[in-house]
Amino acid sequence: DGGITQSPKYLFRKEGQNVTLSCEQNLNHDAMYWYRQDPGQGLRLIYYSQIVNDFQKGDIAEGYSVSREKKESFPLTVTSAQKNPTAFYLCASRGQGDVGQPQHFGDGTRLSIL
Amino acid sequence: QQPVQSPQAVILREGEDAVINCSSSKALYSVHWYRQKHGEAPVFLMILLKGGEQKGHEKISASFNEKKQQSSLYLTASQLSYSGTYFCASAAGGTSYGKLTFGQGTILTVHP
Repeated sequence: DGGITQSPKYLFRKEGQNVTLSCEQNLNHDAMYWYRQDPGQGLRLIYYSQIVNDFQKGDIAEGYSVSREKKESFPLTVTSAQKNPTAFYLCASRGQGDVGQPQHFGDGTRLSIL
Repeated sequence: QQPVQSPQAVILREGEDAVINCSSSKALYSVHWYRQKHGEAPVFLMILLKGGEQKGHEKISASFNEKKQQSSLYLTASQLSYSGTYFCASAAGGTSYGKLTFGQGTILTVHP
């Protein structure tokens, strides 16, 4: 079955440590997105990529980095510069073309500070 | 700028109806609606496009008033499975094609 796989499901970060969240999709989608969700709040866009080897900052990119070397993969690194990383992180993808295409989400990674 | 949703929370008995509103201060190209169960990923419900075309599934309907930059989601004869947080998301189009800005969410609780 086609879908989006995020790993790990739970992740713990120590002070000063960088951690990388994985997002893989087999939907053949061109566009991929990373969101952060804090308790009781909506989704905020961190980074997005509409094509391989290209990505743009979203609304809250500081302290995060991404790469898009392959169409199916869009890993997110939470750097030590992100002072409040505890949140639920969601990856999404979207097919190009028809303006009516929705974003499809993975099951998320819950990141906490040790 | 983030779309504003109202109400913030709704409590229903099974079989009752509800309306969730979403308004934006920016011109909208399309409005997307999602439902999220606690601890899970958001699930797509519906897209409303500029020009009136509506796409979606399930027995839930929606409207899109382009002039007022507002959208409303209508849930009729609610079921227990409708419980969750509903988000609208706006798309501005142009070079931001495909980029969504989510509202803060409306918590819907359906009791037996």
